[in-house]
Amino acid sequence: NAGVTQTPKFRVLKTGQSMTLLCAQDMNHEYMYWYRQDPGMGLRLIHYSVGEGTTAKGEVPDGYNVSRLKKQNFLLGLESAAPSQTSVYFCASGRTSDYEQYFGPGTRLTVT
Amino acid sequence: GENVEQHPSTLSVQEGDSAVIKCTYSDSASNYFPWYKQELGKRPQLIIDIRSNVGEKKDQRIAVTLNKTAKHFSLHITETQPEDSAVYFCAAVYTNAGKSTFGDGTTLTVKP
Repeated sequence: NAGVTQTPKFRVLKTGQSMTLLCAQDMNHEYMYWYRQDPGMGLRLIHYSVGEGTTAKGEVPDGYNVSRLKKQNFLLGLESAAPSQTSVYFCASGRTSDYEQYFGPGTRLTVT
Repeated sequence: GENVEQHPSTLSVQEGDSAVIKCTYSDSASNYFPWYKQELGKRPQLIIDIRSNVGEKKDQRIAVTLNKTAKHFSLHITETQPEDSAVYFCAAVYTNAGKSTFGDGTTLTVKP
């Protein structure tokens, strides 16, 4: 039981490049989330999903897209990376919305 | 949308003392309030949570109180230990929409 895993762990992008972050969970959770964490700013919700095939916008969705084609996977895409997207990205999953969120180990992204 | 304010941003206590962290939220529709602990370089992990139909919850040295009328909730840690040193985040969740809003975090340092 791996819990929540994220790929990759680290990535450096040049401005304008694109990439996809993969989140996978093996707990059969319905809810999945993508957050970014910047120093002193806590966790900000980018997008989330309440079940397979669904996505919804969070607080800071601009510049990101997501897809949840399979229940166990939640993908976060950056189409044209900007330095302002330099951050640590955490994925999380939960059985329901009023239940603990299990976080992945994070992806450290640097955009130069 | 929801806004969560967390205070203080840093807190330093002597081992054995108590620590209190407070959060206020703006949306009266929020009905689930978890607290997460994040150690340096690690992922956030749930330490305690409370639902809107409960005023107080305790788990060993940790307790959370909720005042729905005033829209604030607090984390209380008694008999602090050096291993309690970490960043603590509160969150407010509107479970019908599945949307979570986190506070900016409190860095707790427990001095031996």
